[in-house]
Amino acid sequence: DTEVTQTPKHLVMGMTNKKSLKCEQHMGHRAMYWYKQKAKKPPELMFVYSYEKLSINESVPSRFSPECPNSSLLNLHLHALQPEDSALYLCASSQAGLTEAFFGQGTRLTVV
Amino acid sequence: GESVGLHLPTLSVQEGDNSIINCAYSNSASDYFIWYKQESGKGPQFIIDIRSNMDKRQGQRVTVLLNKTVKHLSLQIAATQPGDSAVYFCAENRGGTYKYIFGTGTRLKVLA
Repeated sequence: DTEVTQTPKHLVMGMTNKKSLKCEQHMGHRAMYWYKQKAKKPPELMFVYSYEKLSINESVPSRFSPECPNSSLLNLHLHALQPEDSALYLCASSQAGLTEAFFGQGTRLTVV
Repeated sequence: GESVGLHLPTLSVQEGDNSIINCAYSNSASDYFIWYKQESGKGPQFIIDIRSNMDKRQGQRVTVLLNKTVKHLSLQIAATQPGDSAVYFCAENRGGTYKYIFGTGTRLKVLA
C-alpha cells in the first residue's frame, strides 16, 4: 500500500466555521507533511511531523493547527479562515529525509 | 534568496518526441532531488529521484541528469505520450531535514 488518503476531497466553509482535514498513511512512514497549493503554483510547505512531533512550522498562521494523533494519522484543524486561504491542501509522508515523499490527492478548500 | 526554479513555464512537444524539462537550484547544500508529475486536480506523483553523489539515473522512459557544477537538474522523457501531459515539479531536500522545497513547475503539453 503506497497510498496517502485525504478526507474530505472537497470542503466549503465559512469564515466563522471550524473544520478539520484528515490524512492517513499505512506505509510505516515516520514523517508526515502538510502543504498548501494555490492555483498554478508549487506546493508550499506548512508543517512537518517527525516521529509524531512537530519538527517544522513554516510560520503558518495560528488559524491552522496541526495534530498528529499517531504515526499513521495527521490532522489539520481550521478555524476563522480567510477567503485567501482557499487552496488545495496536500498531505504527504516519507520514510526519511532522503527518500521520496508520497502525496495524497488533496483537499480542495474553499472559504466563503 | 535560495530557490529551486525552472527555465520554461510551458513546454509543448509532439507525441513521440523526447521532452526535456529543466530546473535550476541555488543551494549547493542540496543533496537529494525529486521530480514530481501533477495532473489536474490530483496530488503530485513521484517520478524519479537522484542523490547528489550521482550524475544520472534512469527509470522507465525517464532519465534525470544532475549537474552539480552549474546546479542544474533535468528530466528527460522518451517518446512522449498524451498521458505525460501534466505539470512537472522538481523538488530538493537539504541534508535530510524533511524539508522538500518545490520549484515553480513546467506545464508539459503533448500535441497529437
